[in-house]
Amino acid sequence: GQQLNQSPQSMFIQEGEDVSMNCTSSSIFNTWLWYKQDPGEGPVLLIALYKAGELTSNGRLTAQFGITRKDSFLNISASIPSDVGIYFCAGAQETSGSRLTFGEGTQLTVNP
Amino acid sequence: ETGVTQSPTHLIKTRGQQVTLRCSSQSGHNTVSWYQQALGQGPQFIFQYYREEENGRGNFPPRFSGLQFPNYSSELNVNALELDDSALYLCASSAVSLAGEYNEQFFGPGTRLTVL
Repeated sequence: GQQLNQSPQSMFIQEGEDVSMNCTSSSIFNTWLWYKQDPGEGPVLLIALYKAGELTSNGRLTAQFGITRKDSFLNISASIPSDVGIYFCAGAQETSGSRLTFGEGTQLTVNP
Repeated sequence: ETGVTQSPTHLIKTRGQQVTLRCSSQSGHNTVSWYQQALGQGPQFIFQYYREEENGRGNFPPRFSGLQFPNYSSELNVNALELDDSALYLCASSAVSLAGEYNEQFFGPGTRLTVL
C-alpha cells in the first residue's frame, strides 16, 4: 500500500543534540501528523499540522507542513534519553477523512 | 475518561485459523479505524467504521472484515490466517469522520498476532 517516504530510518545521537527527520510523498496531503511509538504501545500524537507552510511547536519539538503539501519535517532540540522511540509521520488526504497513511518510521536512540 | 482499549494483548494462531480482535473506543468517539503494523514498518490502514458501517477500506482482502456495535466498540475478524498476517493490530478512535475533515485519532496499545 501507499506509504510516505520517511528518513532517516535510524539515528544514534548524544544527549543534548538536536535531531531532524523528514517525510515526503508523491501525493498531496491536507493534514500532516507526527507520532511517537514506544515499545508495546500504540502511536501517540506529538504535533498536528493543518495548513501548508504552517510551523508548529510543542515544547522541544517543532514541525513544519511543506508549502507543496507533499512533505513535512520534525525537529527535536536538546534531546534527552526519554526521546528514545520510533517516530512516524502520517498524512490524511482531503477525500479520506481520518484515514491515515504512515511513513516507515525513524528509530531514535539517545546516548546519555 | 477511558482511553482506547484492545483485547487480547497477544494471540498465537496457526495458518488457516480465524481470529477476532476487539476494541473499545474512547468515551465520546463514534469512529473506529483499524491498522496493521508489520514488524519494522509503519501502520497500514485496514478499514474504518462509522455509525456501524464500513466507511473506507485500505488494500486488504475480503478475509479481513469488521463490525461496529451500537456502543461504538468494534471487532476485526481475519479468516484463513496466513503467515504474513503476523503483525501488531492497532485500533484508533476519533470523534467523527467526514470527507475533507480530519479529527484526531487516539490509538490503543494493539494486539500482537503471531501466525505459525
